[in-house]
Amino acid sequence: RKEVEQDPGPFNVPEGATVAFNCTYSNSASQSFFWYRQDCRKEPKLLMSVYSSGNEDGRFTAQLNRASQYISLLIRDSKLSDSATYLCVVNQPSGYSTLTFGKGTMLLVSP
Amino acid sequence: ETGVTQSPTHLIKTRGQQVTLRCSSQSGHNTVSWYQQALGQGPQFIFQYYREEENGRGNFPPRFSGLQFPNYSSELNVNALELDDSALYLCAWGGSGYEQYFGPGTRLTVT
Repeated sequence: RKEVEQDPGPFNVPEGATVAFNCTYSNSASQSFFWYRQDCRKEPKLLMSVYSSGNEDGRFTAQLNRASQYISLLIRDSKLSDSATYLCVVNQPSGYSTLTFGKGTMLLVSP
Repeated sequence: ETGVTQSPTHLIKTRGQQVTLRCSSQSGHNTVSWYQQALGQGPQFIFQYYREEENGRGNFPPRFSGLQFPNYSSELNVNALELDDSALYLCAWGGSGYEQYFGPGTRLTVT
């Protein structure tokens, strides 16, 4: 089983749609969770951290279920500028801080 | 802007050659990590340096090596290049927290 698994993409949605990304992780001792966004041929950029209580940033909502080892990202009212690859990222428990990335799910928002 | 720079932007090498990639930060963080991102995949952790010492390594062979310097710069060296080494190489700087700040990457093509 892969350490971090995401929905295979791409997701093609019209502007204004709501889209949900799902992610599971294998190591129950994982400590921190993130969603990163990566534009084509660019570096990953932190979109938001994910907390057990759930957190929201404008149109973006992230949820964490530790019991199910499941992370989600919801984007409401999709914009053309949301088109990108969304990476689920887990900080692995170890003596040092390192990030384990999922393969990413590409989102294409069309007019 | 993350204040992280990488050089060169693009590089073409032939199989068997050696390559050095460079990364620097204006952030003042003590920890630098290197990642390899093959086409269509998420970034894979290569290794991490903290205060000029390697303190963590992913599943990469010894021909991948690195250095960290006191002036917030770092190098990734790859010997005996193979075709599968073709990828985007990302460095990321982070502090005591878990967030990491990525550079724009170096795209390496091995022919």
